[in-house]
Amino acid sequence: DTEVTQTPKHLVMGMTNKKSLKCEQHMGHRAMYWYKQKAKKPPELMFVYSYEKLSINESVPSRFSPECPNSSLLNLHLHALQPEDSALYLCASSHAAQETQYFGPGTRLLVL
Amino acid sequence: QKEVEQDPGPLSVPEGAIVSLNCTYSNSAFQYFMWYRQYSRKGPELLMYTYSSGNKEDGRFTAQVDKSSKYISLFIRDSQPSDSATYLCAILKTDSWGKLQFGAGTQVVVTP
Repeated sequence: DTEVTQTPKHLVMGMTNKKSLKCEQHMGHRAMYWYKQKAKKPPELMFVYSYEKLSINESVPSRFSPECPNSSLLNLHLHALQPEDSALYLCASSHAAQETQYFGPGTRLLVL
Repeated sequence: QKEVEQDPGPLSVPEGAIVSLNCTYSNSAFQYFMWYRQYSRKGPELLMYTYSSGNKEDGRFTAQVDKSSKYISLFIRDSQPSDSATYLCAILKTDSWGKLQFGAGTQVVVTP
């Protein structure tokens, strides 16, 4: 089973709201990722967790806050977002950071 | 210059034709090569991956890597309308902590 699940599927939030995106995998993968994807563009890496430790932060604004509570779960906490943050947020996982990544279906976020 | 170049298309082919997609890359440190298929408003789905030069076949799909030319290809035989999607090449450097370099993605339209 190569399934990565993400909730919610869709999210609409105001600029003053706080919300969280969730990602889960049960493949025993030890690396997990957050990506942001705008329309007609490839995914852009935001964060990499390896063995539950943050190993890459691609200079992402602090209004995005990742959290890896355990090896199966990855959260992305959102606060005071801007309309330009509206995008598809993708989670991915791999056995290790140097291996093939499997993506979830994404959360479509709209910031009003 | 981008590290991975991919023609964004769109590429329109009649049903049953062979679809030929390719990417070029600039850095010989790239060692792992993947192709993803992404339907509109969905997450990328891993189609093929390979770590070595040569061909790899899986059903109607063939992935080809030429490390000496820094060129990778994906061929889809007997194309179907359900193959209409965006195809993304993704390449990983050794010791990159999982930071995939994506091509721009090629939009493919298979017409009945």
